[in-house]
Amino acid sequence: DAGVIQSPRHEVTEMGQEVTLRCKPISGHDYLFWYRQTMMRGLELLIYFNNNVPIDDSGMPEDRFSAKMPNASFSTLKIQPSEPRDSAVYFCASSFRTYGYTFGSGTRLTVV
Amino acid sequence: AQSVTQLDSHVSVSEGTPVLLRCNYSSSYSPSLFWYVQHPNKGLQLLLKYTSAATLVKGINGFEAEFKKSETSFHLTKPSAHMSDAAEYFCVVSDTNDYKLSFGAGTTVTVRA
Repeated sequence: DAGVIQSPRHEVTEMGQEVTLRCKPISGHDYLFWYRQTMMRGLELLIYFNNNVPIDDSGMPEDRFSAKMPNASFSTLKIQPSEPRDSAVYFCASSFRTYGYTFGSGTRLTVV
Repeated sequence: AQSVTQLDSHVSVSEGTPVLLRCNYSSSYSPSLFWYVQHPNKGLQLLLKYTSAATLVKGINGFEAEFKKSETSFHLTKPSAHMSDAAEYFCVVSDTNDYKLSFGAGTTVTVRA
């Protein structure tokens, strides 16, 4: 199994541009999570899905952030428009119930 | 609501000596508990997990943790530190009620030669 696959690994964009982060969870996992990691705030849960349905998006910081999971093998996190304070490492994780959460390698986003 | 407190933000040990990373949790339901490690500029790797089976959990790379319900603790130990153990360690709790992960603030481990 290739694990949780995130793309791109690094993204540098200008303020105001749209950014889309992608995640492919492990096949058979029914939960998918998006986390953000910054020095100031540590790891924060943004949103999570169960069977492709968003369950809790209370961690999404603003309306500029949106996430979708159109099918069991793909999810996106979109920021539009991006701002410098969005610069962080964004992690996707998937799990089958609580039997094991596997994290992707993350996307390092820099907004200049 | 669930939460985790990692009692040390930084731990420094000599190579070959024991490592102890302390973690206390609070949870309204039966918790699942995890320890993750993150090496610099890398993703998060699962070290071990507790999900209501044996209270002493063995993980990868010689790490183990003991779940103590009476103390609401889940401390991570390793008998002999290696240079490659230098990293940041996160204690994580999940309620079986909703499966969300709550992360501690992390403990940075430094290993001295």
